[in-house]
Amino acid sequence: KAGVTQTPRYLIKTRGQQVTLSCSPISGHRSVSWYQQTPGQGLQFLFEYFSETQRNKGNFPGRFSGRQFSNSRSEMNVSTLELGDSALYLCASSLGEATGGHGYTFGSGTRLTVV
Amino acid sequence: DQQVKQNSPSLSVQEGRISILNCDYTNSMFDYFLWYKKYPAEGPTFLISISSIKDKNEDGRFTVFLNKSAKHLSLHIVPSQPGDSAVYFCAAGGGYQKVTFGIGTKLQVIP
Repeated sequence: KAGVTQTPRYLIKTRGQQVTLSCSPISGHRSVSWYQQTPGQGLQFLFEYFSETQRNKGNFPGRFSGRQFSNSRSEMNVSTLELGDSALYLCASSLGEATGGHGYTFGSGTRLTVV
Repeated sequence: DQQVKQNSPSLSVQEGRISILNCDYTNSMFDYFLWYKKYPAEGPTFLISISSIKDKNEDGRFTVFLNKSAKHLSLHIVPSQPGDSAVYFCAAGGGYQKVTFGIGTKLQVIP
């Protein structure tokens, strides 16, 4: 069974640009969550989607947005990039409505560098 | 507001000895707790979990202990192996709540 696929793996953008990251969850998984990982901050929750609906949202500015498609694939978009947005962006998928003790399956992440 | 705290950023242990990673939480509503392991350039991988109704869960060399009254959990790795060197994240969740992660503890197992 294919894992969680995130594209692209690496990205370099200039301040002020926008970027779109993509995540394909495990087949059959309907929930997709996005996290930002930076040194010293751990994994900061961005948002969670279930069946095309945003179910939870973290404390990030409105420049960060996302969506989920009918096939459960998800995209996140960051507009007006800032240097501080440089991070590893991780996507995680889970089977159903509540994550439960089985946790997530993570993708390998997209490393975004803003210069 | 850090609801899941890992106060030790790093830990070094000799191969064959026990590694103990600690985690504290503040939200009494958490139903379950998880540990993830992360190697560089890879996403975190699920290691072991424990429900709030239990106080211990064991899986091979990995054991997680939960002390609800102290809002504290720990991960024990026995015996530690060089391949265990990674960043370990503690996480917690409940119901439809998002899963909240700590900032991680970097474990180095010295051969």
